[in-house]
Amino acid sequence: GDSVTQTEGQVTVSESKSLIINCTYSTTSIAYPNLFWYVRYPGEGLQLLLKVITAGQKGSSRGFEATYNKETTSFHLQKASVQESDSAVYYCALAPNNNNRIFFGDGTQLVVKP
Amino acid sequence: EAAVTQSPRNKVTVTGGNVTLSCRQTNSHNYMYWYRQDTGHGLRLIHYSYGAGNLQIGDVPDGYKATRTTQEDFFLLLELASPSQTSLYFCASSTGTGGAETLYFGSGTRLTVL
Repeated sequence: GDSVTQTEGQVTVSESKSLIINCTYSTTSIAYPNLFWYVRYPGEGLQLLLKVITAGQKGSSRGFEATYNKETTSFHLQKASVQESDSAVYYCALAPNNNNRIFFGDGTQLVVKP
Repeated sequence: EAAVTQSPRNKVTVTGGNVTLSCRQTNSHNYMYWYRQDTGHGLRLIHYSYGAGNLQIGDVPDGYKATRTTQEDFFLLLELASPSQTSLYFCASSTGTGGAETLYFGSGTRLTVL
């Protein structure tokens, strides 16, 4: 079936250091799915961080980037220099093109230390 | 700006109790969703709707009913609450099926069933 895997439940990074949060996906759809990163700040609901609907393309927002890699079926989230305000839970998500559903990963808690 | 409002923010009930979670969106979106979020799990879809009077079953519907009374209002009902339903519940809305469209989330309702 369709699924998303985030291997890290929590990532701790010092402020100004680089970040990578891993995401891999699996789909039964013939067509390439749409891929998303959502973020949930403390006390708030999830909000879209970035999305990419074309394989091979890169999405970016607020200094974060993710590249849709169809060969490795990955969509890792990266940032060159994190800030304390980036502390949040990050969710990778997949929406197949052959149905009306979206599938979320388990989420990765990012803790940025000052 | 898109707005999804959930109430209450927190709810405590006892096993066998009757609970209604409310969600209102002012986005004029057709689709509304109820998810639950548990530690170690991604968001799991309970029910969703594509318009007033419509209801679709999600991935984890057992023990839940839902009702979409207007385009704006979507309710989640737990008629005989159980401790396994202790969770963080999110409501969301979107213009379409979520394939490439953005989901807009409420801030969540934390439900505890004792």
